[in-house]
Amino acid sequence: SSELTQDPAVSVALGQTVRITCQGDSLRNYYATWYQQKPGQAPVLVIYGKNNRPSGIPDRFSGSSSGNTASLTITGAQAEDEADYHCSSRDSSGYHLVFGGGTKLTVL
Amino acid sequence: QITLKESGPTLAKPTQTLTLTCTFSGFSLSTSGVGVGWIRQPPGKALEWLALIYWDDDKRYSSSLKSRLTITKDTSKNQVVLTVTNMDPVDTATYYCAHFQAVAATFDYWGQGTLVTVSS
Repeated sequence: SSELTQDPAVSVALGQTVRITCQGDSLRNYYATWYQQKPGQAPVLVIYGKNNRPSGIPDRFSGSSSGNTASLTITGAQAEDEADYHCSSRDSSGYHLVFGGGTKLTVL
Repeated sequence: QITLKESGPTLAKPTQTLTLTCTFSGFSLSTSGVGVGWIRQPPGKALEWLALIYWDDDKRYSSSLKSRLTITKDTSKNQVVLTVTNMDPVDTATYYCAHFQAVAATFDYWGQGTLVTVSS
């Protein structure tokens, strides 16, 4: 399968913890990559590999994986974390790339 | 410092061929493990991977759009070009190019994107 499935929308209270998930068969063999996208801006890499953060990404962002599901966890969500979050991975063949449908995170 | 910038027409007519150029700096596309990809995003919709070219000139295309896409690179000019044939209004989107790390299968640097509208 070449699809990654995300919940369209998730909300979290300020300062609380939220988990955003991404499901797909390819995730059994490949790590998910997570991107944050704010309105009118290009996506920004936040998590890649097993659980790696690029320089400048706060440590409240973390990644994990189990079976066919990858998760992005924000521990102590901040107002500035309100954004769309997109997962991606190689597809099951490893030959192509695929993106999920994106999750809109609202911080209440 | 890695930067990428997309350029090309902002308006295309149906059936036309779109040519977009990604001009980058801060890395070489002859470095092993590196690639440049194209991703698009229709207004209010999800990201869609289109194509990828690797340092060794290996090319990969979205299965659903493969017949319409061509990606090439000019290492000496630090440019990657994407052509999309037979444009249709559904191809209206912001088109991004991005630096790709093959080991992690990750787009770690993105251009600002360019909005292409397809309309007669």
